[in-house]
Amino acid sequence: GESVGLHLPTLSVQEGDNSIINCAYSNSASDYFIWYKQESGKGPQFIIDIRSNMDKRQGQRVTVLLNKTVKHLSLQIAATQPGDSAVYFCAENMRSGGSNYKLTFGKGTLLTVNP
Amino acid sequence: SAVISQKPSRDICQRGTSLTIQCQVDSQVTMMFWYRQQPGQSLTLIATANQGSEATYESGFVIDKFPISRPNLTFSTLTVSNMSPEDSSIYLCSVELTVATQYFGPGTRLLVL
Repeated sequence: GESVGLHLPTLSVQEGDNSIINCAYSNSASDYFIWYKQESGKGPQFIIDIRSNMDKRQGQRVTVLLNKTVKHLSLQIAATQPGDSAVYFCAENMRSGGSNYKLTFGKGTLLTVNP
Repeated sequence: SAVISQKPSRDICQRGTSLTIQCQVDSQVTMMFWYRQQPGQSLTLIATANQGSEATYESGFVIDKFPISRPNLTFSTLTVSNMSPEDSSIYLCSVELTVATQYFGPGTRLLVL
């Protein structure tokens, strides 16, 4: 069936380095892709999204790249800080009956930032 | 964004009992969602709750086990019925504030003994 998955379950980086978290998806009909950050004991926090007709979108210290040819999504975090330590989920959003959207989450990557 | 709150934040329950989780948002929204996140796992959609209509359940989830109410545009409840240890999870509500973008509450951490 359709699925969203991640290449790397864990990622450890040094403070100040750039981080890249990868995600593979299989449903080419998805309209939006979203990255969430989940800190321990909290709900997922929206980071950034990208529409399927875009290749790149930048936010504050984060960049999301979408490669539809190979169905690959990545989240780049510049100058990673200890506060960036969390589990990161990619999710794809697709219409599911009428105008409703339905999110499907990937497995998650644990990012650990070492001081 | 919006302020989304859930009650209770955590609970420990005995098997065979039921727990009702509340989700409150500080603005009116059409679409609200309930998810389950088992320990160390990703999020799985339980159901979509639109105000004024019956909730739509995903495969593997049924109304008898997870009844949902959506009485107005700012509030929803999820009940976990006849609980067993396998229901121990984090239960999360989310709202769709802009098209195709969901924002999540802090979650309810449930432990069933």
